[in-house]
Amino acid sequence: EDKVVQSPLSLVVHEGDTVTLNCSYEVTNFRSLLWYKQEKKAPTFLFMLTSSGIEKKSGRLSSILDKKELSSILNITATQTGDSAIYLCAQANAGGTSYGKLTFGQGTILTVHP
Amino acid sequence: NAGVTQTPKFQVLKTGQSMTLQCAQDMNHNSMYWYRQDPGMGLRLIYYSASEGTTDKGEVPNGYNVSRLNKREFSLRLESAAPSQTSVYFCASSEHGGNQPQHFGDGTRLSIL
Repeated sequence: EDKVVQSPLSLVVHEGDTVTLNCSYEVTNFRSLLWYKQEKKAPTFLFMLTSSGIEKKSGRLSSILDKKELSSILNITATQTGDSAIYLCAQANAGGTSYGKLTFGQGTILTVHP
Repeated sequence: NAGVTQTPKFQVLKTGQSMTLQCAQDMNHNSMYWYRQDPGMGLRLIYYSASEGTTDKGEVPNGYNVSRLNKREFSLRLESAAPSQTSVYFCASSEHGGNQPQHFGDGTRLSIL
């Protein structure tokens, strides 16, 4: 059974700190790794990673995939209170009847204090 | 630009009652999904529909049924609600399976007493 594990499960920082969130996966039919941010309601898409070693960046957020280590990290620099959210990573399956299905990790709850 | 719309937003049921959660997307996506989210467990897939006319079980399908009514709409039915089904339910859609990210609705918070 596919399993996605995130760490830490929760994190409390102060504004301006840099944080690194971790995601590991164990899957035989890997297609891509996705990161989502969830505030009050719907998870919103951040990044989709398919190639190892290529960093994706959006403002203060960046993410990279390591297929050798079956892991991904999400970095947030110069954190702001608006970054407080649950960060979810998910692995997408490649083919067969599982095509497109996402397996989510437990999520990391990030709290940024002023 | 609505995206994925779920109704209702909140619902309280008694054990044994039935209800249907509605989901509609206006992005012309082929694939649609139903998840439940419980504290500390992330999102778990209940059922999905890779394309109009097909549905398949996900990780936690017991106690649920789905209907892909047309390309836009995908409903989730609880035939006989149980307290263990108290959760937040999310519907999502994507253009075509795993090639594109899934886009989520705002969720339905369901409490079963």
